[in-house]
Formats: sequence, C-alpha cells, structure tokens
Amino acid sequence: KAGVTQTPRYLIKTRGQQVTLSCSPISGHRSVSWYQQTPGQGLQFLFEYFSETQRNKGNFPGRFSGRQFSNSRSEMNVSTLELGDSALYLCASSLISPNYGYTFGSGTRLTVV
Amino acid sequence: GQQVMQIPQYQHVQEGEDFTTYCNSSTTLSNIQWYKQRPGGHPVFLIQLVKSGEVKKQKRLTFQFGEAKKNSSLHITATQTTDVGTYFCAGGRFEETGANNLFFGTGTRLTVIP
Repeated sequence: KAGVTQTPRYLIKTRGQQVTLSCSPISGHRSVSWYQQTPGQGLQFLFEYFSETQRNKGNFPGRFSGRQFSNSRSEMNVSTLELGDSALYLCASSLISPNYGYTFGSGTRLTVV
Repeated sequence: GQQVMQIPQYQHVQEGEDFTTYCNSSTTLSNIQWYKQRPGGHPVFLIQLVKSGEVKKQKRLTFQFGEAKKNSSLHITATQTTDVGTYFCAGGRFEETGANNLFFGTGTRLTVIP
C-alpha cells in the first residue's frame, strides 16, 4: 500500500510569505500529526488531527495552523514566515492514534530566505 | 512540562561493537516507541513497549522499558554498517481524548566505523 505522501518535497520562500504543506496519510489512517525537525531542536510536535478535529497541539505560535479534511488528508500552513522556520516538516499518520507507531512521510524541506 | 531526554547525543563505534542509547522521562509514561532515521531519510517506527519492565527483541536489537515506566533503552549487539542512523525514543502519554501524546527524545546519532 502507498505510504504517507507529502508535497512538495522542497520549498524556498521569502520572509513574510506564507506557505501551505500537504500530507496524504496511508489509506485508512485517521490520525495525522505534524512535526518540525531541525538540527538543533530535534523533532518538535506541532499538532495532531483526528477525524477533522485538532486533538493535540504543541507549543508553536499561532502562525502555525493546520486542518484535516474528511478524507483524512491534512494541510499545515505557516504565515508570516521567519528565517527560523527553515526546517524539515514531517507528517506522520496512524490508524486511530499513534498507539502502534507512526508512519512518517519523507517530509517537506522548507527554506526561508 | 513533559520532557524526554536521550543520551548519548552521538556515538561512534567500530563495526562489531555493541551500542546502547538511553531514554529518560521526567514523568511516568504510558508507552514508549523507538524510531530509526537514516541519514537523509525520515523516522521509521521500530517498536512500542507498553508494560512495566517489558523487554522485546528484534534480531540484534533489544528494547527495554523500565519498571517505573520512566526510562527505556535500546541495545544493539555487534553493530553493522547498516545500523548507521539516528535513533529516537518517543515517550507516550494517553490523553482523555484518545490521543497518544508523543514526546520525542533528542536522538542518538550512531556512526559505525567499518
């Protein structure tokens, strides 16, 4: 079966712009989580969605938002980009909750210049 | 707040030597998961431990969950070059919402010298 698909793979944006990242989970997976990975901070939890509802949220500013659609696909949006937002953004899906492990996508590498 | 610390941050070993990474939580966990991320790749789920004192093995990998459910370890016997990567633990706490709130450790980057 297809894995977790994230688009785009790479993105370069200018400070102040906004960006939308997309994630298609494994078919049947209803829980989708987003993580930011940077060399200095490791894997930082952004939010988790389940059945179109945000079920959990990390400690990120309000510029970071997300949503989940009825087909479980998810998007995350970052507004007013800052240089420090440059990172690998990973989406992970699981069946109901990550009780049996996440399946991660390959990520979107965002560079803010 | 919830913190999961992982040590060491880096480890270089000769091929054939053993390797261990340790994970410690400031609070009691519901479960712990382990992931491996190859250079340039994404984290891949290895295993989940749920029971106090649980020990699970996957070939040369041995995973342990502490009795108090606050710490865990991953031990690799006789490392091979294919073991290269960063190993993350993720401590989980079940929420009333049904979510399993995962807190990732900082990871241990393993280098294996042939």
